[in-house]
Amino acid sequence: AQKVTQAQTEISVVEKEDVTLDCVYETRDTTYYLFWYKQPPSGELVFLIRRNSFDEQNEISGRYSWNFQKSTSSFNFTITASQVVDSAVYFCALSLYNQGGKLIFGQGTELSVKP
Amino acid sequence: NAGVTQTPKFQVLKTGQSMTLQCAQDMNHEYMSWYRQDPGMGLRLIHYSVGAGITDQGEVPNGYNVSRSTTEDFPLRLLSAAPSQTSVYFCASSSTLPHSNQPQHFGDGTRLSIL
Repeated sequence: AQKVTQAQTEISVVEKEDVTLDCVYETRDTTYYLFWYKQPPSGELVFLIRRNSFDEQNEISGRYSWNFQKSTSSFNFTITASQVVDSAVYFCALSLYNQGGKLIFGQGTELSVKP
Repeated sequence: NAGVTQTPKFQVLKTGQSMTLQCAQDMNHEYMSWYRQDPGMGLRLIHYSVGAGITDQGEVPNGYNVSRSTTEDFPLRLLSAAPSQTSVYFCASSSTLPHSNQPQHFGDGTRLSIL
């Protein structure tokens, strides 16, 4: 069975601090996709990134970066120089190659960035 | 471009009542799905559809019914509402290029309370 674990339920930081959100996944499949979504206080779900299991290159997008390590089954998300607008719940999710679109979500991490 | 539209945004029901949550997308996506979001549990897949006339169960299908008569619409029916179905419901859609695992586009959610 597949599983996604986000062990950090809540994180609180002060603006401009760097923060890393952890994501650990479980699957026996060799081909899969990993995602991060952001859910701001307004409630909608915003897609941030998709990574396939064959691409372990780290990715950077502005203040956001992602570290994918198959050896530890982790797909961690770092926000550099956090801002108040980063306050949200962040979800990590997994889908299998042959089950396109069936997302398995982690429990979510609520990030609070204080001014 | 409306994307994924869910109605209603809020609903209060009494135990035993039935209702239909509406979901429509205008992106000609073949894949549509319903998730429920509960505190501390992330999002869980209820039902999904890979195209008109085709539906299948997700992780938590009991108490819910779906049909897919058109590509655009994917309604979710609660047959006899129970307090355990109090949740926030999200509809999502994505293209189904073979094994592409395209990111899902989510609606804004329906907040449902069962008294």
